[in-house]
Amino acid sequence: GDSVTQMEGPVTLSEEAFLTINCTYTATGYPSLFWYVQYPGEGLQLLLKATKADDKGSNKGFEATYRKETTSFHLEKGSVQVSDSAVYFCALLSASGGGADGLTFGKGTHLIIQP
Amino acid sequence: NAGVTQTPKFQVLKTGQSMTLQCAQDMNHEYMSWYRQDPGMGLRLIHYSVGAGITDQGEVPNGYNVSRSTTEDFPLRLLSAAPSQTSVYFCASSSGVIYEQYFGPGTRLTVT
Repeated sequence: GDSVTQMEGPVTLSEEAFLTINCTYTATGYPSLFWYVQYPGEGLQLLLKATKADDKGSNKGFEATYRKETTSFHLEKGSVQVSDSAVYFCALLSASGGGADGLTFGKGTHLIIQP
Repeated sequence: NAGVTQTPKFQVLKTGQSMTLQCAQDMNHEYMSWYRQDPGMGLRLIHYSVGAGITDQGEVPNGYNVSRSTTEDFPLRLLSAAPSQTSVYFCASSSGVIYEQYFGPGTRLTVT
């Protein structure tokens, strides 16, 4: 079945550091890929998405590029802020079954930004 | 615009008790789903619905029932709570199965 693997944390960085959170996936066909963010005590919010190979999703200074050849969707940000502290989830939506069976999530990466 | 709302926010149950977690959305979304979030496990799909009157099982459906009598509401029922159902439950909705899913704030359930 489909699966998503992402680096587990916590990942601790200083403010203004460069961020990379790795995400790789296993799926048949061409899934859509997502990054969701969960701030403390809240539900998940969509951060960015890409629906086909070589697409780049971007939002709030975060970027991720859909790499079919390496089955990856790594999340990057050039300069992190304390307010970026949260749990980040990589997820895919399978192309088979029309996506009705929902998102497949990675286990989440807890990011801590220190001032 | 309230988006996706869930009640209650917190709940403690004893083993064997039953309860219903409520989920409602005001975006006229056809697709709704329930996930559970456990430490180190990410989110796993419990049940989903592609429209009123239509529901189906996800990855971890055992011990849970759902129904979808209206577009707005998608309650999740625990028939006989077990400690293994201690988790945080999230409801989500979207305008279609391939579109962005909007998540509610979650219900933290503890079964003792």
